[in-house]
Amino acid sequence: QVQLQQSGPGLVKPSQTLSLTCAISGDSVSSNSASWNWIRQSPSRGLEWLGRTYLRSKWDNDYAVSVKSRITVKPDTSKNQFSLQLNSVTPEDTAVYYCARQDIKGWFDPWGPGTLVTVSS
Amino acid sequence: QSVLTQPPSVSGAPGQRVTISCTGSNSNLGAGYDVHWYQQLPGTAPKLLIYGNTNRPSGVPDRFSGSKSGTSASLAITGLQPEDETDYYCQSYDNTLSGSYGSYVFGTGTKVTVL
Repeated sequence: QVQLQQSGPGLVKPSQTLSLTCAISGDSVSSNSASWNWIRQSPSRGLEWLGRTYLRSKWDNDYAVSVKSRITVKPDTSKNQFSLQLNSVTPEDTAVYYCARQDIKGWFDPWGPGTLVTVSS
Repeated sequence: QSVLTQPPSVSGAPGQRVTISCTGSNSNLGAGYDVHWYQQLPGTAPKLLIYGNTNRPSGVPDRFSGSKSGTSASLAITGLQPEDETDYYCQSYDNTLSGSYGSYVFGTGTKVTVL
């Protein structure tokens, strides 16, 4: 049974970098049949897919156009986890951030428990 | 930026059947991409309810069912139970949102109320 556990600060100052980590148990970040995603949820934007990392013949990433210039999703194979970095945050980035495993056929399961990140000075 | 539209709310009495629609376009559902459904209880992460248009993961009651046709999809709850009162979201893939590749997209969400 795959489980995801998130960690990272719940408060980030404007213009700084939001950093979260998602630790994986029961699967491998190097799996060829999954990808590892970050999704956020806010009242104003609803559920919003942000980006993912995955290994096929090589490591690759896909990012949502709304955050593409500010986001990095990276695997850490030594710790079997992956991370999110979102640069130059504004109050609009305040949201609950989830990590999620994505099956190769497109659905997200399971999800991490979520981290409320507030962007405020 | 939700490109999948759901009704904000639906309601029904216990035991009744309710349906939640998910309306897309020719760049997502109409292009043949599968739809998946999630149930989100208050204060928790979304949980996979239906995958690949019609399939239930192990442990999901058979009163939940999904269908898809053209640019629309539906989630049906037959024999509505009090514990079904919560939020539901559809999800698919859109091939126009990110230039050379697409983006995974969610519906606007529907609150189910059990009267």
